[in-house]
Amino acid sequence: DAGVIQSPRHEVTEMGQEVTLRCKPISGHNSLFWYRQTMMRGLELLIYFNNNVPIDDSGMPEDRFSAKMPNASFSTLKIQPSEPRDSAVYFCASSLVGTGIGEQYFGPGTRLTVT
Amino acid sequence: AQSVTQPDIHITVSEGASLELRCNYSYGATPYLFWYVQSPGQGLQLLLKYFSGDTLVQGIKGFEAEFKRSQSSFNLRKPSVHWSDAAEYFCAVGVQAGTALIFGKGTTLSVSS
Repeated sequence: DAGVIQSPRHEVTEMGQEVTLRCKPISGHNSLFWYRQTMMRGLELLIYFNNNVPIDDSGMPEDRFSAKMPNASFSTLKIQPSEPRDSAVYFCASSLVGTGIGEQYFGPGTRLTVT
Repeated sequence: AQSVTQPDIHITVSEGASLELRCNYSYGATPYLFWYVQSPGQGLQLLLKYFSGDTLVQGIKGFEAEFKRSQSSFNLRKPSVHWSDAAEYFCAVGVQAGTALIFGKGTTLSVSS
């Protein structure tokens, strides 16, 4: 089975531009998570969804960030307008909740550079 | 609030030597516990997981971890390290299935020949 798929793998954009990151979770999984990794703050949760419904968005830095999950197989994370401090690696992870521990499986990440 | 501490930022181990990476957590009950490994430029790969049962759990790539409730620890071990084990290792805690994970800051493992 394919793992979590993220696109693009790398994104370089100028300050003020809109950035959209995409994620396709593992088929059949019912929870999806967006994390951000930086040297200073490590790995931190931005938002997560259960059954396509946002459950906790307390990690979203500010109104410039938004996330959607229109269906079980697709999610987007949008930054508008982008700022240099948004430069980081953004990971999407999915899990199957309801059986076992519900461990999370991570995608390869999107490395975002905002100049 | 829950927290995870990985006391060692960087560890160097000789190839063939044993390895132990430390992880301590802060949570009132037994959390869901995980170890992930991240190679440079890659995503996080799940090594092993624990919630209940035998406190010594086996994972992939020859890794194991032991849960010690009295010490709030979940240390990762490997009897003989290979050069390919060089990577960053993250301990993570979840308070229940399906919720977000809280990660430690990570331990970078270097393997010397």
